[in-house]
Amino acid sequence: EAGVAQSPRYKIIEKRQSVAFWCNPISGHATLYWYQQILGQGPKLLIQFQNNGVVDDSQLPKDRFSAERLKGVDSTLKIQPAKLEDSAVYLCASSPWTGMSSGNTIYFGEGSWLTVV
Amino acid sequence: AQSVAQPEDQVNVAEGNPLTVKCTYSVSGNPYLFWYVQYPNRGLQFLLKYITGDNLVKGSYGFEAEFNKSQTSFHLKKPSALVSDSALYFCACGRGSQGNLIFGKGTKLSVKP
Repeated sequence: EAGVAQSPRYKIIEKRQSVAFWCNPISGHATLYWYQQILGQGPKLLIQFQNNGVVDDSQLPKDRFSAERLKGVDSTLKIQPAKLEDSAVYLCASSPWTGMSSGNTIYFGEGSWLTVV
Repeated sequence: AQSVAQPEDQVNVAEGNPLTVKCTYSVSGNPYLFWYVQYPNRGLQFLLKYITGDNLVKGSYGFEAEFNKSQTSFHLKKPSALVSDSALYFCACGRGSQGNLIFGKGTKLSVKP
């Protein structure tokens, strides 16, 4: 079974530029997550989708970050304009459940490593 | 608010010795607890989880974790450490009813030959 796919793996941009990350979840997984992992910290949830609807985006900096999941499969996370503090790994993850439960396993992709200079 | 604490930034163990990576949690209601491992320049890999039932949970690569409700702990253990176990380990708890996870800050495990 193919895992969560992410691209690009690495990206270096200058501050105030824009960047987009793409994610394809595990086939059949209804729930998709974007997490931000800053060096030395644990991952922090940015946004959670259930099919193509947003379940939780309370920690997404909406003035510069946006995400969409058209057709309930692939997802794109965009940052515009980027700041130095956005340097982090952006992890996409998916989960096979369709109901509301906190016990389902979440599977992560390899991550997209962003450096803002 | 729910939270997870990993009190040790780093754990050093000799190969062949038992290892323990500590995790404590603070959640309302029934806890759903997870351990993930992250190798350098890689994403997070699921190791094991506790939902309900037996307090000793067995997972991948010979790891296990013990749920202790009275001490609000979920420590990760392995009877005999391997050099290849060296990585960053994250404890996490299920958050609310949405199913997303709150992570600890991580513990770096270093196993020396």
